[in-house]
Amino acid sequence: DAGVIQSPRHEVTEMGQEVTLRCKPISGHNSLFWYRQTMMRGLELLIYFNNNVPIDDSGMPEDRFSAKMPNASFSTLKIQPSEPRDSAVYFCASSFPAGASYEQYFGPGTRLTVT
Amino acid sequence: AQSVTQPDIHITVSEGASLELRCNYSYGATPYLFWYVQSPGQGLQLLLKYFSGDTLVQGIKGFEAEFKRSQSSFNLRKPSVHWSDAAEYFCAVGAPGSARQLTFGSGTQLTVLP
Repeated sequence: DAGVIQSPRHEVTEMGQEVTLRCKPISGHNSLFWYRQTMMRGLELLIYFNNNVPIDDSGMPEDRFSAKMPNASFSTLKIQPSEPRDSAVYFCASSFPAGASYEQYFGPGTRLTVT
Repeated sequence: AQSVTQPDIHITVSEGASLELRCNYSYGATPYLFWYVQSPGQGLQLLLKYFSGDTLVQGIKGFEAEFKRSQSSFNLRKPSVHWSDAAEYFCAVGAPGSARQLTFGSGTQLTVLP
C-alpha cells in the first residue's frame, strides 16, 4: 500500500508568494494532521482533521495559514502571503479510524524555503 | 494536557554498544506512548507503541521500550547499535479519549561512531 503522499517534496518561493502544499492520506484513514518542523521549535502540530472536518487549528500560526480537506483523500495547506520565517519542513500524517490505534503515519515532508 | 520531555538532545555511542534513550511524560492517567525515528530527509517512522498490558514492548529494528508508571517514563533501548541507527528519535504521548493528536518530545539526535 502507498503511504502518505506529499507534494511537492521541495518548494522554493519568494516572500509574498502563495504556497500550496498537498497531502494524500493513506486510504481508509480518517484523521489527518499537518505538522511543521524547524530547528528552533521542533515538531509542531498545526491542524488536524477528523472525517474531513477541522477539529483543532490552534496550532496554525496566523491568518496567513489555511488548511482544507475537501474529501477523504486530499488535503491542502496554504500560506498566503509567505514569509521567510515560514521556511520549514511541513509534514502530513494520517491515522486509522476508531479503536485504540492512535499511531500516525507520516509522509516524507515538503521542505519549504521562502527567500 | 499531556507533555513529553526528552532530556538528552544528543547522544553518541559506538557501534555495537547498548543504547538507552530517555523519555518522561506528564499525564494524569496511563497515556498511549510511542517512539518514532526520523532519518535525515525522511518523515517519521513508528518504532513501537504502548497502549496497555505488558509494560515491555518490542518494536522494529531490534528496539524495545519499557513503560514505568512509577517513574512516568518510557525509555527506548537497543542492546547493540548499528551504524544505520543514526537518526533522530522522538517520543510521543497520546491521551486516550476523543482527541487523537499526539504530543511529541523535542527529539534526541543519535550519532553512532564506527
